[in-house]
Amino acid sequence: GAVVSQHPSWVICKSGTSVKIECRSLDFQATTMFWYRQFPKQSLMLMATSNEGSKATYEQGVEKDKFLINHASLTLSTLTVTSAHPEDSSFYICSARDFLGGANVLTFGAGSRLTVL
Amino acid sequence: AQRVTQPEKLLSVFKGAPVELKCNYSYSGSPELFWYVQYSRQRLQLLLRHISRESIKGFTADLNKGETSFHLKKPFAQEEDSAMYYCALSGLGGSRLTFGEGTQLTVNP
Repeated sequence: GAVVSQHPSWVICKSGTSVKIECRSLDFQATTMFWYRQFPKQSLMLMATSNEGSKATYEQGVEKDKFLINHASLTLSTLTVTSAHPEDSSFYICSARDFLGGANVLTFGAGSRLTVL
Repeated sequence: AQRVTQPEKLLSVFKGAPVELKCNYSYSGSPELFWYVQYSRQRLQLLLRHISRESIKGFTADLNKGETSFHLKKPFAQEEDSAMYYCALSGLGGSRLTFGEGTQLTVNP
């Protein structure tokens, strides 16, 4: 089945530095990928929709200059947390749309846990 | 706006008992409803979707447009069903997916 690979699975960084998280679709092409954020014991909150070859669409309240998204190929989207601060510490999850038998199904990555010191 | 509500954050049942995880939604158009499951230390994965009207691992869910609900049911819960369950909604045609807050199901021996 479709697999989405996310890297790194966890990262610790100092406040003020930038961190890049990669999301790859394996064995399928994904024109659209989604980035979610999940706080402990809470639901997934959609941050942005990543569109291959065009600008990402951000949800209300998400700073586009803070969370840079690049979707340069049909199998790779990256999320860069710029000038990270402790409040950016969270679990970031990407997903890709895999059209399964005509239906619309999202395949999720395993997530990336970011800790900003 | 689209919204998904799962009223129970925690649900605990005994093995062999029936289980129902509630999900209500709000959406102005024609929705596509899903249940996703996350087992301990694993990634989120699709359990079932309403358009396929299938039963997966003994779970079923029926879309009730009158009550705007998509409750997940299983007649006899098993210990391996213990997990976090998320109800999710998107518009037909594949727009953004909105998740409920999740229900942590624990099936006790």
